[in-house]
Amino acid sequence: DAMVIQNPRYQVTQFGKPVTLSCSQTLNHNVMYWYQQKSSQAPKLLFHYYDKDFNNEADTPDNFQSRRPNTSFCFLDIRSPGLGDAAMYLCATSRNSGTAYEQYFGPGTRLTVT
Amino acid sequence: TQLLEQSPQFLSIQEGENLTVYCNSSSVFSSLQWYRQEPGEGPVLLVTVVTGGEVKKLKRLTFQFGDARKDSSLHITAAQPGDTGLYLCAGESQNRDDKIIFGKGTRLHILP
Repeated sequence: DAMVIQNPRYQVTQFGKPVTLSCSQTLNHNVMYWYQQKSSQAPKLLFHYYDKDFNNEADTPDNFQSRRPNTSFCFLDIRSPGLGDAAMYLCATSRNSGTAYEQYFGPGTRLTVT
Repeated sequence: TQLLEQSPQFLSIQEGENLTVYCNSSSVFSSLQWYRQEPGEGPVLLVTVVTGGEVKKLKRLTFQFGDARKDSSLHITAAQPGDTGLYLCAGESQNRDDKIIFGKGTRLHILP
């Protein structure tokens, strides 16, 4: 089945130690998103790629970076994680059909910062 | 700024009861989606509504898009424990910048 895959599902890192989360998709969608979701809150968009074009949200900290080497893969790099960065990180994809921006989410990576 | 307000924020009811949750805005949306998210998982797309007044059914779930495309409702008939989760509505951004606007969600708990 076509899907969005995130690895790892759970990640523990130390305060200040760089960490990379990965996302892959078999849907061949041209748009990929990274969201941060904290407990009992809606997902918060960090950035997204339209093909190779990177779009950063204005309030996304510089600590967060992203790479999309090809259509299928997208990475989230947190350069110096702080305790406040502990959250669920969700990757999503969308096919820009020009009508409705339905998004398909991966299962998420839960990041713990110790 | 486009905002989506969801109500109620929390709802806990007995199995077998009916319920309705709401998603409201002062802005017009080209389309609205409903997602369900279970603990520890990503949101799963349930439905997209596009046309004002549109009604879509998914088994015991009925989704309606308001005539003016500013609001939507989700009605669940004979709720079951498997319906428990966070229900998120999301609307397509007017800027057509590939982004969707999320509501804050309704956390639903069905008691067996």
